[in-house]
Amino acid sequence: ELKVEQNPLFLSMQEGKNYTIYCNYSTTSDRLYWYRQDPGKSLESLFVLLSNGAVKQEGRLMASLDTKARLSTLHITAAVHDLSATYFCAVREKLTFGTGTRLTIIP
Amino acid sequence: GAGVSQSPSNKVTEKGKDVELRCDPISGHTALYWYRQSLGQGLEFLIYFQGNSAPDKSGLPSDRFSAERTGGSVSTLTIQRTQQEDSAVYLCASSLAGMNTEAFFGQGTRLTVV
Repeated sequence: ELKVEQNPLFLSMQEGKNYTIYCNYSTTSDRLYWYRQDPGKSLESLFVLLSNGAVKQEGRLMASLDTKARLSTLHITAAVHDLSATYFCAVREKLTFGTGTRLTIIP
Repeated sequence: GAGVSQSPSNKVTEKGKDVELRCDPISGHTALYWYRQSLGQGLEFLIYFQGNSAPDKSGLPSDRFSAERTGGSVSTLTIQRTQQEDSAVYLCASSLAGMNTEAFFGQGTRLTVV
């Protein structure tokens, strides 16, 4: 059974701090996607990681992919309040989503 | 259209009634996905279309659920004899080809079965 697991499920952090969200998956996916969802809203695409070792950065967010370890990370640098949202990773197979990480940034 | 469009945005229905949810994908996108998201939960995969065919229907929760896509464009998800546990947000996404490219999501249909 295909599994995509994220941790932590909930994360509360102070503004200005750094943190990493982890996405582990059980299939041999060579694509990994990160999405953001604000409360009551739909999903917004953040990153598409297309190969082993891929790293992409946008503002305070940086995503990386290690296909050998079946692991992707989403790193948050110097968090600000408007990054509060739920973050999902997804693998190529059936576009299967992880459990989501609800991130709350405290002023 | 500019983005994925879903209708209605909200639907309240009585238990036992049938409902149809519509998804209009981004023009030219051949792949279309349906998901269900219960309150505070993740995304549950329902079905995937490539063109008009559905190679993977494994996520449909029961035989009350069906979906079709015509003309390689608009898709409808039909739920027959709705039950209270069907209450959720139903999300549709589309992408350019297969499962190799980024998918874009619609705003969803919030279904409430009373």
